[in-house]
Amino acid sequence: GQQLNQSPQSMFIQEGEDVSMNCTSSSIFNTWLWYKQDPGEGPVLLIALYKAGELTSNGRLTAQFGITRKDSFLNISASIPSDVGIYFCAGQVFGNEKLTFGTGTRLTIIP
Amino acid sequence: EAGVVQSPRYKIIEKKQPVAFWCNPISGHNTLYWYLQNLGQGPELLIRYENEEAVDDSQLPKDRFSAERLKGVDSTLKIQPAELGDSAVYLCASSLGAGGNNEQFFGPGTRLTVL
Repeated sequence: GQQLNQSPQSMFIQEGEDVSMNCTSSSIFNTWLWYKQDPGEGPVLLIALYKAGELTSNGRLTAQFGITRKDSFLNISASIPSDVGIYFCAGQVFGNEKLTFGTGTRLTIIP
Repeated sequence: EAGVVQSPRYKIIEKKQPVAFWCNPISGHNTLYWYLQNLGQGPELLIRYENEEAVDDSQLPKDRFSAERLKGVDSTLKIQPAELGDSAVYLCASSLGAGGNNEQFFGPGTRLTVL
C-alpha cells in the first residue's frame, strides 16, 4: 500500500540538540498527524494538524501543515533521552477514516 | 481507563498453520481498526469496523485473512494458512467513531513470526 516519504530515515543526535524531520506526499491530505512509537508498543499521537499553514506546538514539539497540503514538518527542541523512538507522520482525507502512514524516522540519542 | 488490549503479544508458528489475534478496544469506542506493520515501515490499514460492520476491508487479503467483530466490541483477526511473508506486527486501534473525536488509539500489537 501507499506509504508517505519521511526524511531522514534515521537520526543520531546528542542530548540537548534540536531535531527536524519532514514528510512528503504525492497527494493532498486534509489532516496531518504525527505519532511516536516506542519498541514493543503501538504508535501514540503527538500532534494533529487540520489546516494548511497551521503551526501547532505540544511542549517541546512543533509541527507544521505545509501550504501545499502535501507535506508536514516536525521539530523537537532540546532533545532528551525519552525522545528516542520512531516518529511517523500520517495523512488523512475528509470523509475517510483511513490513515496513510509514512515510512518513519528513527531517532537515536548518542550518550 | 484501560487502553486497547491485544493478545497474544507474541506468536511463533510454522507456515501453513492457522493463527488468530484478539483485540478489545477502549470501552465506548465504536470504530475498530486492524493494521499490519512490516519491519521498518509504518502501519497499513487492513480493515475498519463501525460497530459490527466492516466498512473498509479493501486492503485485507481475503484469500487467507478474515476478521470478525460479532457483537461490535472485541474483534478477532485470523490468518489461514499463514505464509512466511505474514511475519509482521498486527496492530489494533480504536476510536470513538462518527460524530466523535476520531483520534485513533493503538494497542501494543501482536508480533507474528512464521517459520
